[in-house]
Amino acid sequence: AQSVSQHNHHVILSEAASLELGCNYSYGGTVNLFWYVQYPGQHLQLLLKYFSGDPLVKGIKGFEAEFIKSKFSFNLRKPSVQWSDTAEYFCAVNAGGNNDMRFGAGTRLTVKP
Amino acid sequence: ETGVTQTPRHLVMGMTNKKSLKCEQHLGHNAMYWYKQSAKKPLELMFVYNFKEQTENNSVPSRFSPECPNSSHLFLHLHTLQPEDSALYLCASSQVTYDTGELFFGEGSRLTVL
Repeated sequence: AQSVSQHNHHVILSEAASLELGCNYSYGGTVNLFWYVQYPGQHLQLLLKYFSGDPLVKGIKGFEAEFIKSKFSFNLRKPSVQWSDTAEYFCAVNAGGNNDMRFGAGTRLTVKP
Repeated sequence: ETGVTQTPRHLVMGMTNKKSLKCEQHLGHNAMYWYKQSAKKPLELMFVYNFKEQTENNSVPSRFSPECPNSSHLFLHLHTLQPEDSALYLCASSQVTYDTGELFFGEGSRLTVL
């Protein structure tokens, strides 16, 4: 089965700093890739997703992610973070055609005002 | 409002108790899931139901017993749990097609086992 690694457990940034969160997966076949976000006290919600086509995917709230197949990576980026981006971010992968969604351990982002 | 409702939101139980977690989805989806969320660990997929049929059981101990009476409802029956089972239990649903697979999550049931 596929697995997901998120390299950063806790990232602390000041407002307006740029963000990049790493995500690598292990699976040799076709994959669907996701980033989910969990704001404090709220449910997990989808930030963005990649299925096919343009490897640079844009999501909500100014987030984007780039799928680099040769590196098995799907890193999340935002050019300028806000205090309201403080949350936990989860990368997830499922092999195309099934519903076995695997998640990384999550990266907690703290944005200082 | 997420479209996926979980009850109770918090549950404290002793190791000899029997309790159940309930999940209901209002999105018309055909697959439902139980995940376990523990601090600093990846979300663990526990059970998957497609069209009410269980298709995945990731070596979950038998003290956790799922039930899916229809495509909108999912239960997790708990019996003789251990303190290490304390975690946030998340229910999710999705519409299973090749090109999607996006999960919609409930807010979770926080379980504490004493």
